[in-house]
Amino acid sequence: NAGVTQTPKFQVLKTGQSMTLQCAQDMNHEYMSWYRQDPGMGLRLIHYSVGAGITDQGEVPNGYNVSRSTTEDFPLRLLSAAPSQTSVYFCASSYSTVPTYTEAFFGQGTRLTVV
Amino acid sequence: KNQVEQSPQSLIILEGKNCTLQCNYTVSPFSNLRWYKQDTGRGPVSLTIMTFSENTKSNGRYTATLDADTKQSSLHITASQLSDSASYICVVSASGGSYIPTFGRGTSLIVHP
Repeated sequence: NAGVTQTPKFQVLKTGQSMTLQCAQDMNHEYMSWYRQDPGMGLRLIHYSVGAGITDQGEVPNGYNVSRSTTEDFPLRLLSAAPSQTSVYFCASSYSTVPTYTEAFFGQGTRLTVV
Repeated sequence: KNQVEQSPQSLIILEGKNCTLQCNYTVSPFSNLRWYKQDTGRGPVSLTIMTFSENTKSNGRYTATLDADTKQSSLHITASQLSDSASYICVVSASGGSYIPTFGRGTSLIVHP
């Protein structure tokens, strides 16, 4: 099992560019989510999905879009990159659609710099 | 507002020593509390998950305690090793259908030889 795979690991964007961060899991997990981690702050939830075709906003969704066409994949799209989106992004998945009592498996992260 | 506060912010100990990390929360209604270990440059890895009815859970040299009445948890690391150097994150989830957990900022632990 590969677990949760994120690509790319590193990315530099210019302000205004768009891009997609990829996330795939091979554990047949229903729940998937995207977080950003900034220095001195806890992880913050951007978007999440409780199953294919179902997505919802987290704490900090502005500037990001997601879709969930399959159970395995949950891409995160930056529509028009801004320097404030410079961060480390983590994708996570959990078995249960009610993630409050299930272990979350995290990817290795994507370090994004917007210049 | 749901909050999770961790202390200390950072900690330096010698290899072989024990240490205890603290987590205080205001999340309500409480569902569960999780501790994660995050090595530098990597994603968090789950250490323990505790619900309201559990007050102690161990994972090797890691022992987590929970006092749901005072809304406090601790993570005790026994006989520390160099590989324990990492950030330890406390995460609290509410019940009632909330899908948004509350993360603490983490405690950075450095173990020196």
